[in-house]
Amino acid sequence: SAVISQKPSRDICQRGTSLTIQCQVDSQVTMMFWYRQQPGQSLTLIATANQGSEATYESGFVIDKFPISRPNLTFSTLTVSNMSPEDSSIYLCSVWGSGPQETQYFGPGTRLLVL
Amino acid sequence: EDQVTQSPEALRLQEGESSSLNCSYTVSGLRGLFWYRQDPGKGPEFLFTLYSAGEEKEKERLKATLTKKESFLHITAPKPEDSATYLCAVQSTDSWGKFQFGAGTQVVVTP
Repeated sequence: SAVISQKPSRDICQRGTSLTIQCQVDSQVTMMFWYRQQPGQSLTLIATANQGSEATYESGFVIDKFPISRPNLTFSTLTVSNMSPEDSSIYLCSVWGSGPQETQYFGPGTRLLVL
Repeated sequence: EDQVTQSPEALRLQEGESSSLNCSYTVSGLRGLFWYRQDPGKGPEFLFTLYSAGEEKEKERLKATLTKKESFLHITAPKPEDSATYLCAVQSTDSWGKFQFGAGTQVVVTP
């Protein structure tokens, strides 16, 4: 299975600022996903990021608020722009892995608190 | 639209007290149903994939089963280290790679 790291692991930010979250994978993967998990809630897909193409956003999420980069097959970034307290969440990246099991493998998450 | 409903929301068990978690789903065509375990402050950890009705998978004290409408995660003789939130997700045949997650069941096992 893929080993995934995220930076930062947590941050406290002021409203109106932006934060860029990095996701690094130890192997080349085609499909990467970004999720939001609000306190006490399940995972909500923000967008799918494939290398070499624009990210595909789910309903309710827009590129201006959550710009995503996918410069190569092992790395992606998610920016949370013009933050408000409602953006306080855990942000998770995942990859589609075809190792022993074909499934999504998740990073440890970035815990964001917006004041 | 794909839907996944998990029950109960929370479950408190004594060590050794077996129980089952339910995941009901509605999907146009099922490519796979996935179970994950999530510990506080961590990302979900993959447990099982089930592809067709009648399929069963086991790992230690956990056993997952699948019917055409629902999946069960059976926890046999649980230990305190089985305490976690268990998430169910479905992948439909027309949304390759994308998952629809349920809200999860929070399990607490007390000694």
